Amino acid sequence: DAGVIQSPRHEVTEMGQEVTLRCKPISGHNSLFWYRQTMMRGLELLIYFNNNVPIDDSGMPEDRFSAKMPNASFSTLKIQPSEPRDSAVYFCASSLRGGSGEQYFGPGTRLTVT
Amino acid sequence: AQSVTQLGSHVSVSEGALVLLRCNYSSSVPPYLFWYVQYPNQGLQLLLKYTSAATLVKGINGFEAEFKKSETSFHLTKPSAHMSDAAEYFCAVNRADKLIFGTGTRLQVFP
Repeated sequence: DAGVIQSPRHEVTEMGQEVTLRCKPISGHNSLFWYRQTMMRGLELLIYFNNNVPIDDSGMPEDRFSAKMPNASFSTLKIQPSEPRDSAVYFCASSLRGGSGEQYFGPGTRLTVT
Repeated sequence: AQSVTQLGSHVSVSEGALVLLRCNYSSSVPPYLFWYVQYPNQGLQLLLKYTSAATLVKGINGFEAEFKKSETSFHLTKPSAHMSDAAEYFCAVNRADKLIFGTGTRLQVFP
């Protein structure tokens, strides 16, 4: 059974460019979470979806960040325009809402903005 | 509101020694509690979870944790550390649909 799939695994881009990160949750899971991890700030929840609907985006740092979940098997996190301070590892996680709440994480996308 | 506190951002042990990583929680309702492990350049992996069944929970790789309501603790232990246990460990508590994570404890294992 495939776990959470994220692509790309690594992304290097120049400041000002648009970046799109992708996530495929575990089949059957109905909650999806986007996190950012940095040395300075640790693990931060950016946004989460239940049944493809955004529930809480209070962690999204700025309007430059946006996330969508067009269907149950795909989500994107977009940064436009990107800035060097966006450099981090971005994780996607999924869970089964109504269960005990454990989340299953993808391998992450390491983003470097130069 | 639910939260967790991990005492000690770094813990160092010798190979074969006891591992003890501390986690205290704050919750107004019976919590679900979790320990995750993150190896270098990888995502977080669920080690074990407490969901109000047995208070002693066994996880993968020989780890276990004990839920102690009187102490509001959920410490992670392993009797004998292995070099491969070197990683960062996160404690988490559920809050509605979300997990609230601690700040993590980095475990170093020396030969």
